Amino acid sequence: EVQLLESGGGLVQPGGSLRLSCAASGLAFNIYAMNWVRQVPGKGLEWVSAISGSGDSTYYADSVKGRFTISRDNSKNTLYLQMNSLRAEDTALYYCATGSSSWYTTYFYWGQGTLVTVSS
Amino acid sequence: EIVLTQSPDFQSVTPKEKVTITCRASQSIGSNLHWYQQKPDQSPKLLIKYASQSISGVPSRFSGSGSGTDFTLTINSPEAEDAATYHCHQSSSLPFTFGPGTKVDIK
Repeated sequence: EVQLLESGGGLVQPGGSLRLSCAASGLAFNIYAMNWVRQVPGKGLEWVSAISGSGDSTYYADSVKGRFTISRDNSKNTLYLQMNSLRAEDTALYYCATGSSSWYTTYFYWGQGTLVTVSS
Repeated sequence: EIVLTQSPDFQSVTPKEKVTITCRASQSIGSNLHWYQQKPDQSPKLLIKYASQSISGVPSRFSGSGSGTDFTLTINSPEAEDAATYHCHQSSSLPFTFGPGTKVDIK
């Protein structure tokens, strides 16, 4: 059974930093492209970032480009999202999600999410 | 960026009625459109992939159709457990985008 378990969320002040993690099990992690998707509670879903299976290629939504960095450690089956210069509008539930080795895919697997709150 | 719009925002139906949700893309995305169901305090769950392909374990009352810019999710004879928010998602081009969601209530 595939499991994705996010952690690292919490309360942070505007301008602060946070690093999210997503521990994966039950899949050949190094083959799968991985994504971060966020959701303001009660609102829609927003794709944030993606990384290739090898980690060589990354993509970002314009809303986070230059502030967030996606990375992965395939030896630990773990995905990361380093979030810097956080803003109030980054407050959301952050999910990791994946579906295949390709970027251009549906998301079969989702974690349960980790909540990030940016507030003073 | 490809914008996805969904209609209606909210739909309330009885189990005898059919749920029809549409998703329109701002430009052609072929069949690269997927549907998810999300219940309160749960993660999204994949219902339909690539516009019309069924997913193992998803009840047959859920079906999808469409291509290009116009897509439809249909729930035939919905059950109480289908009360949820439904999201469409395009994987045709970066940045990937989602629709705003349609909340469905079963009376």
